Amino acid sequence: AQSVTQPDIHITVSEGASLELRCNYSYGATPYLFWYVQSPGQGLQLLLKYFSGDTLVQGIKGFEAEFKRSQSSFNLRKPSVHWSDAAEYFCAVGSGGFKTIFGAGTRLFVKA
Amino acid sequence: DAGVIQSPRHEVTEMGQEVTLRCKPISGHNSLFWYRQTMMRGLELLIYFNNNVPIDDSGMPEDRFSAKMPNASFSTLKIQPSEPRDSAVYFCASSSSGEGNQPQHFGDGTRLSIL
Repeated sequence: AQSVTQPDIHITVSEGASLELRCNYSYGATPYLFWYVQSPGQGLQLLLKYFSGDTLVQGIKGFEAEFKRSQSSFNLRKPSVHWSDAAEYFCAVGSGGFKTIFGAGTRLFVKA
Repeated sequence: DAGVIQSPRHEVTEMGQEVTLRCKPISGHNSLFWYRQTMMRGLELLIYFNNNVPIDDSGMPEDRFSAKMPNASFSTLKIQPSEPRDSAVYFCASSSSGEGNQPQHFGDGTRLSIL
């Protein structure tokens, strides 16, 4: 069965520091992978997606993610975090014929 | 472009009352999803529609919950009778595919409080 694991419930980073949020998935074939961000009081917003091709994908707000098939991972990165990046981040996996499965989310705190 | 529109944004009502949440998906999207989000259980898929037809309602918690999609531009989620444990944020999302190979676009949610 498909599943998504985000091992970190919350992460705290200093403003200006780099960020990496972890995501591991379970699926037999090549999945469709997504990262979403949820700011307080808002719905989830798509940051980026991976379908095929280049395993390093660029998204909005300066985020990128790298698909590593051998590790079943799709980690989200940002080189320099801004205070406005404080939010909850969700990794999701989908595939043709199956509904999208969301991870439990990682809450990012940014300290000055 | 207009995104997914949900109404009301906030709803406070007493236990036992009927609650109706509304959603207008993005024009041209053929799949619509209803989610519930709580601190304890996270984001839960309640039901999803494809071309106005309910495809998977296995996440609907009880018979008190029902959802309809009478046309491509409107859906409702109804709770009758409501209970305090139904308090949550309810999200509607739409997509150009219900099969997980396209991203979902979320509304800003309805924050429901049952007293």
